This record gives sequence, C-alpha cells and structure tokens, in this order.
Amino acid sequence: AQKVTQAQTEISVVEKEDVTLDCVYETRDTTYYLFWYKQPPSGELVFLIRRNSFDEQNEISGRYSWNFQKSTSSFNFTITASQVVDSAVYFCALSELTGNQFYFGTGTSLTVIP
Amino acid sequence: EAQVTQNPRYLITVTGKKLTVTCSQNMNHEYMSWYRQDPGLGLRQIYYSMNVEVTDKGDVPEGYKVSRKEKRNFPLILESPSPNQTSLYFCASRGLEPLETQYFGPGTRLLVL
Repeated sequence: AQKVTQAQTEISVVEKEDVTLDCVYETRDTTYYLFWYKQPPSGELVFLIRRNSFDEQNEISGRYSWNFQKSTSSFNFTITASQVVDSAVYFCALSELTGNQFYFGTGTSLTVIP
Repeated sequence: EAQVTQNPRYLITVTGKKLTVTCSQNMNHEYMSWYRQDPGLGLRQIYYSMNVEVTDKGDVPEGYKVSRKEKRNFPLILESPSPNQTSLYFCASRGLEPLETQYFGPGTRLLVL
C-alpha cells in the first residue's frame, strides 16, 4: 500500500529563518513519482516540484530546495530565508507507476512570523 | 488561459438531495481526477479518469459517482449526500504522462446539513 507521512502538522518560524518540511513515503513500486504542492490561505493548490524514483538529484529553485533520499524513503523540502508569503499548507504526494492514483500526505501548515 | 473550472464554488444542501459538481478543463487533457480535502486528512482521491468513458476508483469512492462523456468535462455526482460528505472538493487534470503537471481547479466547498 502506498502511504505518505508528513509528521509535522504545524510549524512556526520567524522570518528569514530556514525551515525544512519532512515527507516520508511508503511504496512497493520501484517506479513512482513524488510531488510537492503549496496551498496558500486563498485555498488554491500550487504545484512546486515533481520527481521520479530514478532521479535522486537534489533540486534548488531560488529559496526552495528538495532532498530526495531513496535509502530513507524521504523527500524533504527546505525553504531558505523564509518570508511571510511562504505561509501556507504544504502537501507532499506520491503517485504509483501508472500515475493514475495519487496519495497525499496530511499537510504541514507553515506560519512565517514577521 | 489554461484552467480547470469548477461549479459551484460553494454549495449548501440537505441530506439526500442529489447534486452535481461540474469540472471542466480547456487543456485537452486526457487525465482528470476528483479529490476531497478534510482537516487532518489531507487530500484523498475519489475517482479518476484516463479518458472518455474510462473511469476508476480512487481511495474514497463510496457515495460518489462520476462520468466522462466528453474529454473536457468530469462531473462529480452525489446521488444522496450525507453530512460526512461535507468537505472541500478539488478537480484536477493532467496530460497522459505521470510526470506531467497536474492542474487543480479552485475548489468547491460543500456543506451537507
């Protein structure tokens, strides 16, 4: 069975601090896909990044970076020098081989305090 | 503008009164999906569709029906809504490949009394 765990329910940081959001997944598939989405207070879901299971390269996009480690089944997300606009709920998601079924974590609510 | 639209955005109804939430996309996407979002549970997949007339169950299909008669539309039908179906519903669409970006609609907030 597929499963995504985001153990951090809520995190608060002061602006300019770095913060890491954890994501741990379970799957029996050797081919799978991982995603991060952001849900700001306005409610829409914004795609951030995708990874397939064969691509373990870490990625950096501006202040955002992602660390994919198959050995620990983790796909963690780090925000460097956090800003108030980063306040949102962040979801990690897993999709299996066909990409048809999606499994989301329960989300981490991040509050950045000015 | 590429988008996924949902209607209505907000709906209050009563137990047992059939309702349909429409979803439409203008990106010619093959794949469409419905999710519900509940506090503490994240998003859970209800149904998905790989193409016209091809649909399959997600994690929480009980109490819901879908149809895909046209490529652009994927309505979610609640034949006899119950209070435990009070939730925020999202429709999404994507091209055929698993790694393609999944675009989400704005959400429909449903309250069943």
